[in-house]
Amino acid sequence: KAGVTQTPRYLIKTRGQQVTLSCSPISGHRSVSWYQQTPGQGLQFLFEYFSETQRNKGNFPGRFSGRQFSNSRSEMNVSTLELGDSALYLCASSLGWGSSYEQYFGPGTRLTVT
Amino acid sequence: DQQVKQNSPSLSVQEGRISILNCDYTNSMFDYFLWYKKYPAEGPTFLISISSIKDKNEDGRFTVFLNKSAKHLSLHIVPSQPGDSAVYFCAASPKSAGGTSYGKLTFGQGTILTVHP
Repeated sequence: KAGVTQTPRYLIKTRGQQVTLSCSPISGHRSVSWYQQTPGQGLQFLFEYFSETQRNKGNFPGRFSGRQFSNSRSEMNVSTLELGDSALYLCASSLGWGSSYEQYFGPGTRLTVT
Repeated sequence: DQQVKQNSPSLSVQEGRISILNCDYTNSMFDYFLWYKKYPAEGPTFLISISSIKDKNEDGRFTVFLNKSAKHLSLHIVPSQPGDSAVYFCAASPKSAGGTSYGKLTFGQGTILTVHP
């Protein structure tokens, strides 16, 4: 079974621009969660989508948004980029129901804002 | 307010010996706990998990222990191998209210494990 894939792997953007990151979950997984990893804050939860609906949201400003499509693929958008948005953005997928809480992560997208 | 804490930033162990990684949590609503291993520039890899209804779960060389009264969990790796050298994260998920909390993991800051040959 193919793992979680994320595109692009690396991205360089300028302050004020916007960016869209993409995530394809493991086949059969209906939940996609997004996390931001920075040296100072560690791994922080952004939001989770399940069956095309945002089911959970972390403490990030409204500049961070996402969506999920009917095939469970998800995109994350960051508008009006700030220098502090430079981070590794990780996507994780899981079944999203039943007794399984395990999330499986993709390789991440390294975003650098200059 | 850090709800999941890994107080040891690093741990150094000799090959073949036991590695014990610790994690404390403060939120009583957490009822599912996971350990992940991470190499630089890669996503975390799931290792092992435990539900709050258990106090121990084993998978090969990895065993996770949960002490609910102390709000403490630990990961034991026996025997340790050089390939185990990585950053280890513990994570917690809150009780699910009708299945709505599955996708939100709170992570500790990680412990760098180095296994020397």
